[in-house]
Amino acid sequence: AQTVTQSQPEMSVQEAETVTLSCTYDTSESDYYLFWYKQPPSRQMILVIRQEAYKQQNATENRFSVNFQKAAKSFSLKISDSQLGDAAMYFCACATSGTYKYIFGTGTRLKVLA
Amino acid sequence: DTAVSQTPKYLVTQMGNDKSIKCEQNLGHDTMYWYKQDSKKFLKIMFSYNNKELIINETVPNRFSPKSPDKAHLNLHINSLELGDSAVYFCASSQAHRAGQPQHFGDGTRLSIL
Repeated sequence: AQTVTQSQPEMSVQEAETVTLSCTYDTSESDYYLFWYKQPPSRQMILVIRQEAYKQQNATENRFSVNFQKAAKSFSLKISDSQLGDAAMYFCACATSGTYKYIFGTGTRLKVLA
Repeated sequence: DTAVSQTPKYLVTQMGNDKSIKCEQNLGHDTMYWYKQDSKKFLKIMFSYNNKELIINETVPNRFSPKSPDKAHLNLHINSLELGDSAVYFCASSQAHRAGQPQHFGDGTRLSIL
């Protein structure tokens, strides 16, 4: 069975600082994809970043980057130069080629302090 | 232009009633999904359709019936509503039914059962 675990229910970061959100996953499949989604108070789910498991290079999108440790099954999200607009729930998700389903973690609420 | 739109955004109704939530995507995607997000923010897939064909049907009560009249629309009908159905329901779409495809989410429908 596929599982995704986010062990930090809540995190805080000072504006302009860097924060790392943790995610671990478990799957027996070799072909899978990992995602981070952001859910601001407006409720919409927004894709932040995507990583293919077969790629060793960590994905980056502007101020967002991941630390993908395949052997450890870890997929953390680093947010640099945090902005007030980054405040949101962040969800980690895993999708395998076997089931095609997204399995989401329980989310981490990020607070950005001015 | 809204990519994935759901109506209504809020739905308040009595136990035992029947209600529908509509979803439309204008992205030209082949695959659409319904998710349920509970009060603890846990997001779980309910159904997925690919080109109007049901692909994923999670362990969801029979009271929930999705309908896809064409690949741009996926509606969710719920019979005999129960208190436990209170949640936010998200519609999403992806270009194809493949694990690596990013999913685009609607703004969600908050269903409250009195």
